[in-house]
Amino acid sequence: QKEVEQNSGPLSVPEGAIASLNCTYSDRGSQSFFWYRQYSGKSPELIMFIYSNGDKEDGRFTAQLNKASQYVSLLIRDSQPSDSATYLCAVQFMEYGNKLVFGAGTILRVKS
Amino acid sequence: DVKVTQSSRYLVKRTGEKVFLECVQDMDHENMFWYRQDPGLGLRLIYFSYDVKMKEKGDIPEGYSVSREKKERFSLILESASTNQTSMYLCASSRITGRAAFFGQGTRLTVV
Repeated sequence: QKEVEQNSGPLSVPEGAIASLNCTYSDRGSQSFFWYRQYSGKSPELIMFIYSNGDKEDGRFTAQLNKASQYVSLLIRDSQPSDSATYLCAVQFMEYGNKLVFGAGTILRVKS
Repeated sequence: DVKVTQSSRYLVKRTGEKVFLECVQDMDHENMFWYRQDPGLGLRLIYFSYDVKMKEKGDIPEGYSVSREKKERFSLILESASTNQTSMYLCASSRITGRAAFFGQGTRLTVV
């Protein structure tokens, strides 16, 4: 099993809908979880982080973490065309010190 | 504002050349990372460093080395560039274990 897995997509949603992005990870004593957004030709930009089980909301974004099931998700409410990008899930693994591992990313397309 | 700066945005090098990619952060971060990003493969960790003069191999260290003589600077060295090292190289830094990593603008390296 890969350490961090995401569905590559593309995930297509209409403008104004909720986009749901999922990520699963292997059990390596992981402790910190991050979501990055990457526009084509640009470097990744941090949009959310979550450390404990449950939900964390920031504006239109909600990160959800379930350590027992080893998944983390990102919900984007009221999706806009400007949200169209690749979303990267990243996990920091305790077992490997400060190693930060990324999933391959999910392409999101928001259609107006 | 968080600032991670990579020395070059674009580089073209010849096969067999020794290549230096430089990364500087101004946030006093302990951790620094080098990734490469290729279509369909996502971000793959080459090396990371959690302190001055300390380094750990990532998933694909072969053909690369690193240097961290000062806290703010982390260099990636391609000992003898090959065409399969043509890629986007991304540097990142983070404050301590579990905190978010911030990326530089990336260096697109082409080896001919």
